Amino acid sequence: NAGVTQTPKFQVLKTGQSMTLQCAQDMNHEYMSWYRQDPGMGLRLIHYSVGAGITDQGEVPNGYNVSRSTTEDFPLRLLSAAPSQTSVYFCASSYSRDRGASPLHFGNGTRLTVT
Amino acid sequence: KNEVEQSPQNLTAQEGEFITINCSYSVGISALHWLQQHPGGGIVSLFMLSSGKKKHGRLIATINIQEKHSSLHITASHPRDSAVYICAVRPYSGGGADGLTFGKGTHLIIQP
Repeated sequence: NAGVTQTPKFQVLKTGQSMTLQCAQDMNHEYMSWYRQDPGMGLRLIHYSVGAGITDQGEVPNGYNVSRSTTEDFPLRLLSAAPSQTSVYFCASSYSRDRGASPLHFGNGTRLTVT
Repeated sequence: KNEVEQSPQNLTAQEGEFITINCSYSVGISALHWLQQHPGGGIVSLFMLSSGKKKHGRLIATINIQEKHSSLHITASHPRDSAVYICAVRPYSGGGADGLTFGKGTHLIIQP
């Protein structure tokens, strides 16, 4: 029972490079989301999805793209990395489309450094 | 605007002590989540509650809807309980885009 699988665990990018953070869940969850976690701040929502083909912006969406072509996968794309995107990224899923109404299942995080 | 405040921000205790972490919020909510994040690790959901009390092993979560306050208790604390504990609330309205507002976390260290 894999749960939420997030890759890679660590990544270093140069300013201007692009990359994709992968997230997959095997629990048939409708809801998936991406957060970033920075020192001294709570988790902040980047993008979320309530089902295949449906995505929406969170609090801090600038510089990131997402897509949800299948229920299982929700990749996060950094289009042109900037030092301000240095952070720890978490993917999360939950059973209910009713946001926040069921427990969240998190991936193990990706520590991204942009130089 | 909904604010979620956790206290204390940092807590160091000795093994065996009874631990209490507090979460206060400012608007009406339909659910409150407690999460645990180990150093360098992922985040695990501990509890989701909307009233009363829940217990799992040595962890107990309580909520007082009228006072807009929740507590997470750890009995017979152990060094493996060392982690950041995060409170998140689901307001009836005005929450983050995914319906949740997160606290900044309480960093707990249990010394042997």
